[in-house]
Amino acid sequence: EVQLVQSGAEVKKPGESLKISCKGSGYSFTSYWIGWVRQMPGKGLEWMGIIYPGDSDTRYSPSFQGQVTISADKSISTAYLQWSSLKASDTAMYYCARRLGYFVDYWGQGTLVTVSS
Amino acid sequence: QSALTQPASVSGSPGQSITISCTGTSSDVGGYNYVSWYQQHPGKAPKLMIYDVSNRPSGVSNRFSGSKSGNTASLTISGLQAEDEADYYCSSYTSSSTPVFGGGTKLTVL
Repeated sequence: EVQLVQSGAEVKKPGESLKISCKGSGYSFTSYWIGWVRQMPGKGLEWMGIIYPGDSDTRYSPSFQGQVTISADKSISTAYLQWSSLKASDTAMYYCARRLGYFVDYWGQGTLVTVSS
Repeated sequence: QSALTQPASVSGSPGQSITISCTGTSSDVGGYNYVSWYQQHPGKAPKLMIYDVSNRPSGVSNRFSGSKSGNTASLTISGLQAEDEADYYCSSYTSSSTPVFGGGTKLTVL
């Protein structure tokens, strides 16, 4: 069974750093793109970027380029999304998602990030 | 890379059909047959309903169908049921190799 299991909810202060994770299982982790999707409170879905764990090829959506870093450790089948300096506006639910072809067939359960002083 | 344009809300009565549109440009919806649709219930992760414009994944009701004409894709739900009430998002591959979502449509079953 394919599963994407994300790390737990986080509460951080502005300016702090954060790295959240998404562990894939039940499939060949290096053979599928993994994407990160942001959903701010009460708002829609936004693609942040995608990574191919096989060779770490990474593409960022223009709005998120330079704002976050997407990485992957194929030895432990885990993708990451990280911030060096969080802002209150980073408060959101973050989903990881497996891309099959040009669509998402599996989603993680989501990681809620709350940034507040 | 702007979000695709969807109506903010649509509604219909049980048993009726509704259509949600998703308008982009020739750099995304119009340029590729890679439009997908997702259903999201409150507090849940999205669920794939349609991929590659008009294909339905295994397990998705045949009441859901997709199509595309020019720069506009559409999701049609026939025989509306109460459980269809949710937010729906379209997504398309883009010429910049990163996908883009629509703004989302809230479906209300009256």
